[in-house]
Amino acid sequence: DIVMTQSPDSLAVSLGERATIKCKSSQSVLYSPNNKSYLAWYQQKPGQPPKLLIHWASTRESGVPDRFSGSGSGTDFTLTISSLQAEDVAVYYCQQYYSSPPKTFGQGTRVEI
Amino acid sequence: EVQLVQSGPEVKKPGKSLKISCKASGYNFNKYWIGWVRQMPGKGLEWMGIIYPDDSDTKLSPSFQGRVTISVDRSISTAYLQWSSLQATDTAIYYCARHLREDSWDDAFHIWGQGTMVTVSS
Repeated sequence: DIVMTQSPDSLAVSLGERATIKCKSSQSVLYSPNNKSYLAWYQQKPGQPPKLLIHWASTRESGVPDRFSGSGSGTDFTLTISSLQAEDVAVYYCQQYYSSPPKTFGQGTRVEI
Repeated sequence: EVQLVQSGPEVKKPGKSLKISCKASGYNFNKYWIGWVRQMPGKGLEWMGIIYPDDSDTKLSPSFQGRVTISVDRSISTAYLQWSSLQATDTAIYYCARHLREDSWDDAFHIWGQGTMVTVSS
């Protein structure tokens, strides 16, 4: 199985400041023929199902605020919230969807104010 | 509106069987992979498996093989997750979720159900 490791496990950021979450995969999730990294980011607020924010490592879903951005390729990825808002308090997960099952999630990163 | 609506909470005793459901609407059910994700109390997300409704092709995580069965009923656009013998460690929220792109098994989960809480306790 591909192991996804996020860092940090939690972070506290002031309103309006930048939040940065890292995700590292135990092997590359870059598919060379299409040059796409099979990496997604999700946001989960308390009592709610996860919400897809970003796929292909950097493609923002429709309706997701542009303060959320994804970057990286291969094995190292970053989710950045450029200016943290109160409604961004949540747990964030990365997921690789490159390999044969399971398509593993990271352990999650809790973002607080 | 594309949505997945899951069945309600369940409380079961160890050793009992259970089947929970996920009803899809607003899109061509047969053409999108749909899967299940477990979230144990206070824990993270675990990918369990996916199924392609058109031909019932199923891909299960080795961690869940032999423990659960994923199936669909195309006539009512509904996916199922079932256990033949529950254990206390099956206590969790179970989410169904649909892939982002049509006919794509290597994909992210785009549309999520609201979750079904399953409690297994004697």
